[in-house]
Amino acid sequence: EPEVTQTPSHQVTQMGQEVILRCVPISNHLYFYWYRQILGQKVEFLVSFYNNEISEKSEIFDDQFSVERPDGSNFTLKIRSTKLEDSAMYFCASSEFGGLNQPQHFGDGTRLSIL
Amino acid sequence: AQSVSQHNHHVILSEAASLELGCNYSYGGTVNLFWYVQYPGQHLQLLLKYFSGDPLVKGIKGFEAEFIKSKFSFNLRKPSVQWSDTAEYFCAVYNTDKLIFGTGTRLQVFP
Repeated sequence: EPEVTQTPSHQVTQMGQEVILRCVPISNHLYFYWYRQILGQKVEFLVSFYNNEISEKSEIFDDQFSVERPDGSNFTLKIRSTKLEDSAMYFCASSEFGGLNQPQHFGDGTRLSIL
Repeated sequence: AQSVSQHNHHVILSEAASLELGCNYSYGGTVNLFWYVQYPGQHLQLLLKYFSGDPLVKGIKGFEAEFIKSKFSFNLRKPSVQWSDTAEYFCAVYNTDKLIFGTGTRLQVFP
């Protein structure tokens, strides 16, 4: 079964540094998402992306965050100047189409630790 | 705004015990509800979903959930758990292309 893959599995970064989290969605999927989970808290929606633009973003997704699909396979989340509170598990997801009938397939996540 | 509450943060059971994990949602209109499972070291996987119709939904691995509109609930059940059911379980509601998750319930099953 095709999977969403995320790299790296664990990223440790100094506060203030830029970090890029990478995701390879399932190849025929058109909708892409980032979620995050701070330790002990709920999984939170960050952003959805379709047709090379952001469809929706949450309050968390401020100017420090950006997403990009630089080529036909990767979908990246960039945090420009990381803060301690950005430490979390970041999950990428993709779906073939949008809408509630389309299940979102999740990657294993990247654990981001900000020092 | 829609929200989801899972009141059981950590559940410990012996094999063959019955399981019920609570999930309550906030929105009074039409809702679309999901249960996801995350096994240790693995990604989130869809267990089951409710869109409409029969409020008793059957999912994979013997799990089922019942949508009770009057109680704003969508509890997950399994009559007899196995050690392999040890995982974290997330209830979620769908809202315009995104999922809103609960905080999750960690289930530990001991042989």
